[in-house]
Formats: sequence, C-alpha cells, structure tokens
Amino acid sequence: EAGVAQSPRYKIIEKRQSVAFWCNPISGHATLYWYQQILGQGPKLLIQFQNNGVVDDSQLPKDRFSAERLKGVDSTLKIQPAKLEDSAVYLCASTSISGGINNEQFFGPGTRLTVL
Amino acid sequence: LAKTTQPISMDSYEGQEVNITCSHNNIATNDYITWYQQFPSQGPRFIIQGYKTKVTNEVASLFIPADRKSSTLSLPRVSLSDTAVYYCLVGGLRGGKLIFGQGTELSVKP
Repeated sequence: EAGVAQSPRYKIIEKRQSVAFWCNPISGHATLYWYQQILGQGPKLLIQFQNNGVVDDSQLPKDRFSAERLKGVDSTLKIQPAKLEDSAVYLCASTSISGGINNEQFFGPGTRLTVL
Repeated sequence: LAKTTQPISMDSYEGQEVNITCSHNNIATNDYITWYQQFPSQGPRFIIQGYKTKVTNEVASLFIPADRKSSTLSLPRVSLSDTAVYYCLVGGLRGGKLIFGQGTELSVKP
C-alpha cells in the first residue's frame, strides 16, 4: 500500500511570496489533515477534512493560509503572503474512519519551508 | 481533549530497556492513549495504542494503571535506531483530532 505523498519536499521563498504544498493521501482514506511543525515542537493541526468538507480549521490563520480538497482525494495548502514565522515543516496525514486502530494517522514525509 | 505531560528528553544506552512515562490527569472515559514516534525529517509514525492494563506489540509495550491518569511506554533493548522523539496523545474519536505535545527526545548511545 502506498503511503501519503507530499510535494515538494523542500521550498525556500522570500517573505511576502506565495507558496503551495500538495498532498495525496492513502487511497480510500476519507480524512485528511494538515499540520505545521515548527523546529523543536510537536505538530500542530491546521485543518482537517472529511472527504471534501472542512471538519476543523480553528487553528488555520485564515488571513494568509488556505486549503482545499475539491474532489475529496488530494489536497493543496497555500500560504499567501508568507511571513518569516511560517518557516516550518508542513505535514499531511490521512486516516480511515472505518476499521483499523482508533485514530491512527498515517503521515507523509512533510514539506520543509524556509522563508527568508 | 486531555493535556499530556512527558519528559523533554531522556538518554539511554544500547541494549537497555527504556520507559517513558506520560501524565494525563484529565483523561476522559472514552479516550484512548496512543504513542507516536518521529525520526528527523520524517512524519510521526504510530507505535502503540491502549485503553487500560497492558498492550504489547512487536516493538513496544504500553502499561496503563487502573486510574488511567498516566501511561508508560516501554521499549525493550533499545538500539541506536530508536533515537527519536516520542509523543504521547490521548483522544477518543475515530478520525478525530490529535493534539501533540512537545514529546520526549530519546537519545540512545552506543
């Protein structure tokens, strides 16, 4: 079974520029998450999708961050404009609602963003 | 969601057993206790989950006392490759939110 795919793996931009990250979850996983992980901290949930609907975006800085999952499969997270404090690893995870271990999330390798 | 507290860091040597304890005083009745492992430059990976008493799988054991206000992840005979950050999480809903704390940075030395 293929894992969660993310691209790009690394991105360097200057502040005030825009950037987009892509995630393709494990096939059949209805729930998709985006996390932000700042160096030395645990991942922080930004947004959770159930199919193509948003379940939780309470910690998403909506003035600059946006995310979509139009067809209920892959997802894009965008930052516009980026700030220095957005430098972090952006992790995508997915989970299957039915069956399996309760709340087991499968994470992708992440995209490391550096804002200069 | 219950808050968790765990040591910031731990050191060990190859071949030793490592026990990482997590406090979760406000755990709810329907909450499970789950541990994730994260290597540098990788996303977290599920290790083990339990509700009460003891759970064992091929990589770890999880001990949960009767009051469930704490849990202990036990890694038998660690190797250098077990050097990672270990996160303790509590939650109950399938497909629900995971809240990660700072985790415990385990360093295994030769």
